[in-house]
Amino acid sequence: NAGVTQTPKFRVLKTGQSMTLLCAQDMNHEYMYWYRQDPGMGLRLIHYSVGEGTTAKGEVPDGYNVSRLKKQNFLLGLESAAPSQTSVYFCASSYDRSTPPYEQYFGPGTRLTVT
Amino acid sequence: GENVEQHPSTLSVQEGDSAVIKCTYSDSASNYFPWYKQELGKGPQLIIDIRSNVGEKKDQRIAVTLNKTAKHFSLHITETQPEDSAVYFCAALQTSYDKVIFGPGTSLSVIP
Repeated sequence: NAGVTQTPKFRVLKTGQSMTLLCAQDMNHEYMYWYRQDPGMGLRLIHYSVGEGTTAKGEVPDGYNVSRLKKQNFLLGLESAAPSQTSVYFCASSYDRSTPPYEQYFGPGTRLTVT
Repeated sequence: GENVEQHPSTLSVQEGDSAVIKCTYSDSASNYFPWYKQELGKGPQLIIDIRSNVGEKKDQRIAVTLNKTAKHFSLHITETQPEDSAVYFCAALQTSYDKVIFGPGTSLSVIP
């Protein structure tokens, strides 16, 4: 059981380049999330998905797009990277909200630097 | 929407002492309050949680208290050990709603 995995672990982009971050989970979770973590600001939700084929905006969605074509995968795309998107990105997954447990399982993170 | 504040932002204690981290939330509809621990270079991991119908919950050296009237909840770690050094996040959630709102985090250092 690998849990939540993220690819890649590190990436350096130039301003204007694009990239896709991949998140995969093997726990059959319905919900998946993308967060960014910046110093002093905690974890801020970018986008999330409540099931295969669905996506929704979080607190800071601008500049990002997502897709959930398969239940186990959640992709985060940056179409035209900006220095303000330099951050550590975490993916998480959980069961649905109808019954406990409500725990979110986090991946190890992707450190992205945009120069 | 929900807003979660967390204090202190940094905390340093001697090994064996207790540590307390406090959080406040704004939305009275929030009914689930988890605490996550993030070790260096890793993703956050749930360590304890509490639901709104409970005032206190303990798990070995860790306890969480909730005051719904005042809209604040706290994490208590007793007999701290060096491996407790990490960043701790509180969070608030309405279980009928999809989003978890995290506090900004507390960096705890336990000095041997």
